Amino acid sequence: QVQLVESGGGVVQPGRSLRLSCAASGFIFSTYAMHWVRQAPGKGLEWVAFLWFDGSNDHYADSVKGRFTISRDNSKNTVYLQMNSLTDEDTAVYYCAADPPNGGWRLESWGQGILVTVS
Amino acid sequence: QSALTQPPSASGSPGQSVTISCTGTSSDVGGYNYVAWYQQHPGKAPKLMIYEVTKRPSGVPDRFSGSKSGNTASLTVSGLQAEDEADYYCNSYSGSKILVFGTGTKVTVL
Repeated sequence: QVQLVESGGGVVQPGRSLRLSCAASGFIFSTYAMHWVRQAPGKGLEWVAFLWFDGSNDHYADSVKGRFTISRDNSKNTVYLQMNSLTDEDTAVYYCAADPPNGGWRLESWGQGILVTVS
Repeated sequence: QSALTQPPSASGSPGQSVTISCTGTSSDVGGYNYVAWYQQHPGKAPKLMIYEVTKRPSGVPDRFSGSKSGNTASLTVSGLQAEDEADYYCNSYSGSKILVFGTGTKVTVL
């Protein structure tokens, strides 16, 4: 079955960097666009970043543009989120989500989430 | 990117229906038929319930339905059940901004 597993979270000091990973299985990863979505404690969902299936096109929320970079390695079925210049406003649970190849802009499958605490 | 507007809460008794609204602009909800709805139980990851305004993924009960009129999309849950108690979020494709989420609605089954 489809599985997305995030890793790399933890506690990091303001101004430092962290890289999240999301390992995918159970579907043809190289045909899916991938997103990162975050949720601050007690708050709603916030879309963070998107990457096309082949890595050719990426987009970011204004709140992270210039600081975060999404990338992928289709040979490893893994998507990454490099987070630089972290601030306390980046504290959140980060989810990776898979967006199927037939369009629709839908987040069909989600990981369990990984907590990033900037403190 | 401004969030789509949802009511903070909604409620209904078992067996009743509840409808949640999601209001955006012509740049997102009104401009594209790419509205999705997600259900999130406490401490869990969101789950896709509706996509492309009205479509249900396999496995989602037909008690869940979606619609759209102008800049406002809606999710209706008919025949409310205890397990429907959760937070619900809409989102919409928004062109160059890609995706924008709603503010979220807590549904309570009385």
